[in-house]
Amino acid sequence: GENVEQHPSTLSVQEGDSAVIKCTYSDSASNYFPWYKQELGKRPQLIIDIRSNVGEKKDQRIAVTLNKTAKHFSLHITETQPEDSAVYFCAANPGGSNYKLTFGKGTLLTVNP
Amino acid sequence: SAVISQKPSRDICQRGTSLTIQCQVDSQVTMMFWYRQQPGQSLTLIATANQGSEATYESGFVIDKFPISRPNLTFSTLTVSNMSPEDSSIYLCSVHVAGGPRVTGTDTQYFGPGTRLTVL
Repeated sequence: GENVEQHPSTLSVQEGDSAVIKCTYSDSASNYFPWYKQELGKRPQLIIDIRSNVGEKKDQRIAVTLNKTAKHFSLHITETQPEDSAVYFCAANPGGSNYKLTFGKGTLLTVNP
Repeated sequence: SAVISQKPSRDICQRGTSLTIQCQVDSQVTMMFWYRQQPGQSLTLIATANQGSEATYESGFVIDKFPISRPNLTFSTLTVSNMSPEDSSIYLCSVHVAGGPRVTGTDTQYFGPGTRLTVL
């Protein structure tokens, strides 16, 4: 089955700096890679996603890059703000499933003012 | 998008008892899922709730422990049976929605607020 590895498990940055979170996946059939943000005590919220026919996608201060050959994808947050502090999860769809997701273990991002 | 509610939001239960969690969506959705999130951990898929047929369980999860109902396209329940302290977790339902929000423009998955279960 699909295995999604996520690094680092914790990340602390100063406000205004950039943050990068990396994930690798094992199933070459995976073709959908969403990122979720979960604030303390809240539900996971989708913040950006990418499909395998695209190498990069950007939405304001967040971007995701995908390297299909190496089977890894990354989340980039620029100009970080304290409200970016949360746990971030990457995910991949095992077997190219239209619906199922396998999640990474999460990264706790702390943005220090 | 989809608005998802869950009941109860939290509960404290005794060992050996059962708890049924409800998930309600404001629109008809084909695919509904149940996840478990243990304290400080990631999200693990328990099962896919299929409307009109038996749920599809992931490895490590069985119907006797986690029976699921899906009577229609907007509602599902998950029962945690014969509970033990190891079942203490947050249980979340999620739905797959076609034609996602602006940020994705594609099919996407939304999560309910979760049910925080503590078993003593």
